[in-house]
Amino acid sequence: DAKTTQPNSMESNEEEPVHLPCNHSTISGTDYIHWYRQLPSQGPEYVIHGLTSNVNNRMASLAIAEDRKSSTLILHRATLRDAAVYYCILRGPNSNSGYALNFGKGTSLLVTP
Amino acid sequence: ETGVTQTPRHLVMGMTNKKSLKCEQHLGHNAMYWYKQSAKKPLELMFVYNFKEQTENNSVPSRFSPECPNSSHLFLHLHTLQPEDSALYLCASSQESRTRGDNEQFFGPGTRLTVL
Repeated sequence: DAKTTQPNSMESNEEEPVHLPCNHSTISGTDYIHWYRQLPSQGPEYVIHGLTSNVNNRMASLAIAEDRKSSTLILHRATLRDAAVYYCILRGPNSNSGYALNFGKGTSLLVTP
Repeated sequence: ETGVTQTPRHLVMGMTNKKSLKCEQHLGHNAMYWYKQSAKKPLELMFVYNFKEQTENNSVPSRFSPECPNSSHLFLHLHTLQPEDSALYLCASSQESRTRGDNEQFFGPGTRLTVL
């Protein structure tokens, strides 16, 4: 499976934008880029995903590099409730792990008031 | 509420006990998953059921036995567990096709298992 690389931790001030980077230099042409987050004491929740074009939804934006070897999850205004571990995951039809998500260590986001 | 429920939320059991974890999804999905999250470790996939058939067993010890009687229910039967099996067990579901990887997974809140 293609791997992703994320910083172990990041810190942000409340109400400021947050850019969470992810490198995936071995991504294949059919791999989708997924982002999930896990709040303390909860199961992971879906944030956003994309293939080639940038994507926006009510939770966040996903900016995908033109060569698709990296992407950035953008939280436009961080709140204290956004403090979580954020996972960048590649998922494709030919993945060795089938339909499952291959979670790495993710980025632990700390939001301070 | 994600549409995926898990019971019980907390479970304490001895090494000689037999117990079962239950997961139910109310989303009409065709794939269900068991994941394990040990303290300070990434989530690990345990089992995948797609169209009620087990499609993946990620080298899980036989003391964990999954069961998927229908597309809405998933069980994890536990017997003679070890203390190192203490973890958060998460169930998830998704609507999958065989050719695309762009479907999101919905996770339940998990069962916090402690093996004494």
